[in-house]
Parts: sequence; structure tokens; C-alpha cells
Amino acid sequence: DSGVTQTPKHLITATGQRVTLRCSPRSGDLSVYWYQQSLDQGLQFLIQYYNGEERAKGNILERFSAQQFPDLHSELNLSSLELGDSALYFCASSKKEGQLNPAGSNQPQHFGDGTRLSIL
Amino acid sequence: DAKTTQPNSMESNEEEPVHLPCNHSTISGTDYIHWYRQLPSQGPEYVIHGLTSNVNNRMASLAIAEDRKSSTLILHRATLRDAAVYYCILRDRRSGANNLFFGTGTRLTVIP
Repeated sequence: DSGVTQTPKHLITATGQRVTLRCSPRSGDLSVYWYQQSLDQGLQFLIQYYNGEERAKGNILERFSAQQFPDLHSELNLSSLELGDSALYFCASSKKEGQLNPAGSNQPQHFGDGTRLSIL
Repeated sequence: DAKTTQPNSMESNEEEPVHLPCNHSTISGTDYIHWYRQLPSQGPEYVIHGLTSNVNNRMASLAIAEDRKSSTLILHRATLRDAAVYYCILRDRRSGANNLFFGTGTRLTVIP
């Protein structure tokens, strides 16, 4: 058990819809990361938040957005869903390393078991 | 982040040691070498990381070449539970972002 909780485990919806995926990081972890894993693209980094603020962006579509709340849980919002958005979405969390690397560079990331999103 | 090259797949017999290679010829002096694995139907799991010296933990050992252009993840006694995709990832310690770039990894099959 990594200590990272993702809900829901499975989500089935239709094209054009909007969904919200939720992530609770490990206790004490300030950084949250979102990744997408699809069959053709592999595991891709989407976005990172650190203590409520956006820290880094990867290959995240404009239709997707995320936020981290004061209690440090995070939500990934996916809108105007397309068939190609079907994938596993993983959340990970890590501690901060220190003042020089406040985002926790080189701290291990701990992943949840993911949310499987199926678009019909 | 610098790129890594790994074999697509490897096989090992149960209870035998496994050596998973990774080439990273363009590694910079500030890159850490991280290994993660992903078991079927689970999220990736941190295994080990190192900079220059060999590292050991309860899961595995990491052997780093003297020129740091390659490394090897060593599982001392493979079990069926070790069947997974293993990813070798370079992380720049200067980066404030800490996001991971996963390649295609090595799929390890453990034969009973």
C-alpha cells in the first residue's frame, strides 16, 4: 500500500462529458503529480502541484485542468472528453527535499493504483 | 532529462538473480539514476536510486558504472512477484519539478 488514494477506481462515461478524478496524497507529502498511461503513449507526466501551487506542466491538454486544495488533496478535471482520453490516470506524491529543492527533486514518488477511464 | 535505453524484455528463472541493464550515455553530472517498476494492474513503484556509488536496499541493488554511462538493477533472487515492467529514469537534481519521464522499460518475465 503506497498510501496514495485515488477515486474512483473505474469511470465509464461518454464523449463530450466532464469528469473529476480525485487523489489523496500520502500523509506529509506536499507534492502531487498526475500521469496518464495509454496503450499507445505509455506513461506520460501531465502536471505537478506543490503545496497548492502549480509547479510543472507536461503534456496536459487544454481540456484538462487540475488543482490542489489546502488539505493537499488534488483533483484532475477532464472535459469535452474524446475517445482518445480513455486511459489509466495515476496520481503520485512525494515529500519536499529541502529549501534548495522545495518541490522534492529526487525524492521517490509514491503512486496510487490509478483511475481507469473508459470513454464510450 | 537525458534519455535511457533498456531492452524491451528479459526472462529469468525463479529464485535466480536478475540483472537489468540501462544505458544512459548522455547522463550529466547532476543526473540521479532512478528505477521504478510497474506490476500488472498497479501504479509504478519506486525501487531504488543512486548518483555515483552502488546502492542497496531491501528490494534491490543498483550498480553504477564508473563513467556513469550505464547502470544495472540487480534483483538478488527473482520471485514471481517481481514480474513487472522496470523503468530506468534519469532525474536532474537541479530540477525543481521532479516529474518523471518514463520510457518503454524492460518487461521482466519470471519463469517458475
